[in-house]
Amino acid sequence: GAGVSQTPSNKVTEKGKYVELRCDPISGHTALYWYRQSLGQGPEFLIYFQGTGAADDSGLPNDRFFAVRPEGSVSTLKIQRTERGDSAVYLCASSMGGGSYNEQFFGPGTRLTVL
Amino acid sequence: AQTVTQSQPEMSVQEAETVTLSCTYDTSESDYYLFWYKQPPSRQMILVIRQEAYKQQNATENRFSVNFQKAAKSFSLKISDSQLGDAAMYFCAYRSGSNDYKLSFGAGTTVTVRA
Repeated sequence: GAGVSQTPSNKVTEKGKYVELRCDPISGHTALYWYRQSLGQGPEFLIYFQGTGAADDSGLPNDRFFAVRPEGSVSTLKIQRTERGDSAVYLCASSMGGGSYNEQFFGPGTRLTVL
Repeated sequence: AQTVTQSQPEMSVQEAETVTLSCTYDTSESDYYLFWYKQPPSRQMILVIRQEAYKQQNATENRFSVNFQKAAKSFSLKISDSQLGDAAMYFCAYRSGSNDYKLSFGAGTTVTVRA
C-alpha cells in the first residue's frame, strides 16, 4: 500500500505567519510521530500520537507548536508566529502500534523555510 | 536522556569496497533497540538494519552488517561491496525498550561512493 505522505513538500513563509503541515500515515497505523530535522543534524522528536491522543509531546519546543490528530489518522502540525529558527525539515512517521519493536515508517518530510 | 554520537561527519568509499560507520551511545537501560537509517537526497528515511540489545548475535541484512558491542556501547555499521546507490546520509538511532517510543538520532554520516 501507499507509504506515509506529507504535504506540502516545501513551504516558504514569512516570519510571524502561521503554518500547517499535514501528515497522512500508512492506513491502519495507530501510532504517529513528528520529528524536526535541522540542517546537518539528525531528526529530533517532537510529539507522539497513539490514536487520537498525544501520548508524549515532550519534544515540542514551545507553545507556538501544536499538533492534532482528530480522527486517529491524518495529523496536522501547526506552528504559530513562525520564527527563522523554525526553518527545518519536518518529518512524520507512523507505525502499527506504539511498542518499541514496531518499525517506524517515515514520510519524505516538509521543508519549511521562514524568511 | 539518551545520547547518540556519530563521530564521522563524512566517509568516502570506492565502489565494491567496504566502509564502516561508527556510532556510540549512552544509556543506563538494559533493554533497548538500535537502528541504522539511510536518508538519500529525497529525504525519506529508510530503515537499513535493527539490533535488539538482548541479542548477542550481530544483525545482518544482505550487504549491511553491524558490530554491536554492548559493554562498550558501540554500534558500527559495515557496508560491504559498496554500490553507487549506497550514497546517502546514514543515521544511527536508539529507542528504549520501555514506554518511550521515540527515536533518538545521531548527527549522521554522509557516505560518498566513488565510481
